[in-house]
Amino acid sequence: AQSVTQLDSHVSVSEGTPVLLRCNYSSSYSPSLFWYVQHPNKGLQLLLKYTSAATLVKGINGFEAEFKKSETSFHLTKPSAHMSDAAEYFCALMNSGGYQKVTFGTGTKLQVIP
Amino acid sequence: DVKVTQSSRYLVKRTGEKVFLECVQDMDHENMFWYRQDPGLGLRLIYFSYDVKMKEKGDIPEGYSVSREKKERFSLILESASTNQTSMYLCASSPSGGRVSYNSPLHFGNGTRLTVT
Repeated sequence: AQSVTQLDSHVSVSEGTPVLLRCNYSSSYSPSLFWYVQHPNKGLQLLLKYTSAATLVKGINGFEAEFKKSETSFHLTKPSAHMSDAAEYFCALMNSGGYQKVTFGTGTKLQVIP
Repeated sequence: DVKVTQSSRYLVKRTGEKVFLECVQDMDHENMFWYRQDPGLGLRLIYFSYDVKMKEKGDIPEGYSVSREKKERFSLILESASTNQTSMYLCASSPSGGRVSYNSPLHFGNGTRLTVT
């Protein structure tokens, strides 16, 4: 079985301050991990993905995430929040052991305060 | 860029109606997926397909069926709509069929917000 837990349903930060969105996973296989962003009334857009190469992954719009196997975590960070980062963020997991079945977390809504 | 197009942005249907949600992708992807998105529950997989005429149940297939007659088109069917099927429905696609390229990301459409009254 596989699962993804996003530890915060809402995160609020001031513009220009760091962003941390937390994600923990459970997987029986070597996972691929993804972060997606969803702006209002839009579909999900890929921010970055981890696929067993470098553990620190850089994505679009200044986001990055670090894969920590010992902690089963894949937290998303950004050094300085921008107003345009306000959106909902989803962590997702895909296992190598079968078809492309993706498990999503329940999402974290990021609010950026001016 | 991959484009995944969902035919309707908003739909309002009555209880008991048969509802068709259409999704088309233009990048020759083998895999296609239907998810529903509800607040606090994230995305839940309804059905997926890894080839024409092939389909697999996801985590919540009850009350739904799918059709994939052509590679680019994947339809979700609500045989008899109920109010608990009011939700946002997201279609996605990804390249490579079967067990290959398990790390290919999904490409999403903009969603169909369905209201069943």
